[in-house]
Amino acid sequence: KAGVTQTPRYLIKTRGQQVTLSCSPISGHRSVSWYQQTPGQGLQFLFEYFSETQRNKGNFPGRFSGRQFSNSRSEMNVSTLELGDSALYLCASSITLAGGDEQFFGPGTRLTVL
Amino acid sequence: QKEVEQNSGPLSVPEGAIASLNCTYSDRVSQSFFWYRQYSGKSPELIMSIYSNGDKEDGRFTAQLNKASQYVSLLIRDSQPSDSATYLCAVNSPGGFQKLVFGTGTRLLVSP
Repeated sequence: KAGVTQTPRYLIKTRGQQVTLSCSPISGHRSVSWYQQTPGQGLQFLFEYFSETQRNKGNFPGRFSGRQFSNSRSEMNVSTLELGDSALYLCASSITLAGGDEQFFGPGTRLTVL
Repeated sequence: QKEVEQNSGPLSVPEGAIASLNCTYSDRVSQSFFWYRQYSGKSPELIMSIYSNGDKEDGRFTAQLNKASQYVSLLIRDSQPSDSATYLCAVNSPGGFQKLVFGTGTRLLVSP
């Protein structure tokens, strides 16, 4: 079974630009979560989508947004990029098992803002 | 107080030894607990999940959960140099849907 895929793997943008990242979950997984990982803050939750609905949102400014499509693929968008947005953006898809839910991460998109 | 706390390490153990990684969490209603391994430059890889008090074993890995003490640990038996990585503890609360709260991770170094 193919894992979570994310595109692009690397991005270089300049301040003020916007960026869209894409995530395809594991086949059959309907929940997609997004995280930001930085050396200073670690892994932080951005938002989670299930059946095209945002179910949960982390403590990030409104510049960060996302959406999910009917095939469970998800995109996240960051507008008006700031230097501090440089990070590894991780997408995770999840499935509910008998005991609970497990999240599996994609390889991530490394965003550098200059 | 951080929601999920881990010692940042590094934790250094010789090859073949048992590595013990610890994690405490602050939300008493947390229900699901996970250990992820992250190699430098890679994404986190799920290695263990645990949902009830006690031990759960999978190969060389054992996860231990004590909800009364709000404590979860990961033991790695017969540690190998390939186990050298950062180990992230993650917690999911009921009603939090798929929101995982991560600790900052413990760096493990296994020397040959």
